[in-house]
Amino acid sequence: DGGITQSPKYLFRKEGQNVTLSCEQNLNHDAMYWYRQDPGQGLRLIYYSQIVNDFQKGDIAEGYSVSREKKESFPLTVTSAQKNPTAFYLCASSRGTSGQETQYFGPGTRLLVL
Amino acid sequence: DAKTTQPTSMDCAEGRAANLPCNHSTISGNEYVYWYRQIHSQGPQYIIHGLKNNETNEMASLIITEDRKSSTLILPHATLRDTAVYYCIVRVVGGTASKLTFGTGTRLQVTL
Repeated sequence: DGGITQSPKYLFRKEGQNVTLSCEQNLNHDAMYWYRQDPGQGLRLIYYSQIVNDFQKGDIAEGYSVSREKKESFPLTVTSAQKNPTAFYLCASSRGTSGQETQYFGPGTRLLVL
Repeated sequence: DAKTTQPTSMDCAEGRAANLPCNHSTISGNEYVYWYRQIHSQGPQYIIHGLKNNETNEMASLIITEDRKSSTLILPHATLRDTAVYYCIVRVVGGTASKLTFGTGTRLQVTL
């Protein structure tokens, strides 16, 4: 079954703790993205990667880090520097990064701060 | 990317066509119109996209005006499962970065 998977569905973070959100795709897509969605709002881009071992900051990268060691995986770490991490996190992928490439989304991870 | 304007909410009776409008009066010649929807607490789902011709797929039809300043997404026979927030997005073709800029969308409520 082809698609994008994210885990866990819900994640709880304690103060001062780093947490990592998983994103895996088996679509053989080159590009992957992380977005953040706050209640009642649209999506904001955190990081994106066009190719393995390369990634770029999006609009709200502060307090987050990523890696792209494998084509199919793009994990996001929410660090303790992110002061307001409670949000719905969405991973997406596309064949490439030109404007014609459709982005497909995973089911999302909801992060809550204890 | 060009800005879009959508109504905040719409209602549609089940079985009827749902017509969702989108205004993108500042769209450039190299920008596509994309539609996504998001059912509560799920990831956005791609629906359809187009440049200047009308498009149809198994989910919906996209009608783009001749001047490209507006478009309409048509769900021909809405069901309760089509209740969601629908986002209209315009994206430039080409370039090295391709983020999607989601606005607040239209909340479509399909009722019995």
